[in-house]
Amino acid sequence: ETGVTQSPTHLIKTRGQQVTLRCSSQSGHNTVSWYQQALGQGPQFIFQYYREEENGRGNFPPRFSGLQFPNYSSELNVNALELDDSALYLCASSPKGADTQYFGPGTRLTVL
Amino acid sequence: DAKTTQPPSMDCAEGRAANLPCNHSTISGNEYVYWYRQIHSQGPQYIIHGLKNNETNEMASLIITEDRKSSTLILPHATLRDTAVYYCIVRPPRSIQGAQKLVFGQGTRLTINP
Repeated sequence: ETGVTQSPTHLIKTRGQQVTLRCSSQSGHNTVSWYQQALGQGPQFIFQYYREEENGRGNFPPRFSGLQFPNYSSELNVNALELDDSALYLCASSPKGADTQYFGPGTRLTVL
Repeated sequence: DAKTTQPPSMDCAEGRAANLPCNHSTISGNEYVYWYRQIHSQGPQYIIHGLKNNETNEMASLIITEDRKSSTLILPHATLRDTAVYYCIVRPPRSIQGAQKLVFGQGTRLTINP
């Protein structure tokens, strides 16, 4: 089961800029999680949203923020971009009443 | 979160069964074992999960030892398209409060050879 989409697929920003990444999950998926995957590493949990509220956060600073909307879409915002923010950003959603997370294809962010 | 240990890499011949091991000796009684795979530069793909019993679906089989301290993912007839990084993850059930996050390790890089 999939159907999670992310946009854009690739993005190039410069240090200090702000970026918004978008995710659209399937109807009925009320939980969305965001992960950061640096080159050669496994994905790292950023935060999770459940019913439009943050439901937990990993070890990421406040300049990483998010939103979840009633139509099951979600945003990840990163302010004051740093070079180390260059990574693949993954969105994952879960159906109501289920634990399994289904990932989107990711957005490749490059910070110069 | 229970820690998992996987071999960094494995090779398997096309058409043969690929058996990927995972150690999770600190797993708690209510934690599930999940397997995902990630083909180069794509999002992780869910494969299978289980709690105590062995599980099978159209993609793979999951064998969990009786003491639950280790498990094996079996791809019965590996194809070139199964070349990927395979992640074994232990996670608590939804009933546990807090974020249902997945903690990824380094995984096993499985290469299927023609």
